[in-house]
Amino acid sequence: QKEVEQDPGPLSVPEGAIVSLNCTYSNSAFQYFMWYRQYSRKGPELLMYTYSSGNKEDGRFTAQVDKSSKYISLFIRDSQPSDSATYLCAMSAGLTGGGNKLTFGTGTQLKVEL
Amino acid sequence: DTGVSQNPRHKITKRGQNVTFRCDPISEHNRLYWYRQTLGQGPEFLTYFQNEAQLEKSRLLSDRFSAERPKGSFSTLEIQRTEQGDSAMYLCASSFLTGGGYTFGSGTRLTVV
Repeated sequence: QKEVEQDPGPLSVPEGAIVSLNCTYSNSAFQYFMWYRQYSRKGPELLMYTYSSGNKEDGRFTAQVDKSSKYISLFIRDSQPSDSATYLCAMSAGLTGGGNKLTFGTGTQLKVEL
Repeated sequence: DTGVSQNPRHKITKRGQNVTFRCDPISEHNRLYWYRQTLGQGPEFLTYFQNEAQLEKSRLLSDRFSAERPKGSFSTLEIQRTEQGDSAMYLCASSFLTGGGYTFGSGTRLTVV
């Protein structure tokens, strides 16, 4: 079993929809949680960075972390065709727990259609 | 500073040849990481440097792989005697010593034929 599980999709939604992306994990040492967006043949781009449990909002994006359930989510409101990409969750135990080494999910491929 | 730069963007090589990739991190960042990503998978950790010291290597990094970061600036990743299974995107990232999210480069796509 992988440390981080993520539904690979693909997920197809109409423009303007609310998108929900999720990851589960098994390593209770993870404290830092990130979402990256990756366009085809490009490197991952950091979208959201959160520490421990709670919510964080940035524009149309909201990240949620529930450490008790080992479950994280990314919500995208008013989705746009430009949001079409692969979304990767990533997590780390922090600097003292492995040098901030990230463990990634497999990525969810999202397509937002006109 | 324009972010993390990787060269070349794409490398095609014959099986058995040696290849070297270069990464120029964000100058203020102390930590530099190498990851490998295959199609349909998330990036997998290979190794990381804090300044010029290589602090950790993954078991994925076989003896054919070597990474350096002379003077704590740019880094190189060399693969000797390439195999078809080495075909992947090699990603470099950097971060501050205090952690936080990484900044990734655009990667070097290696194709071994």
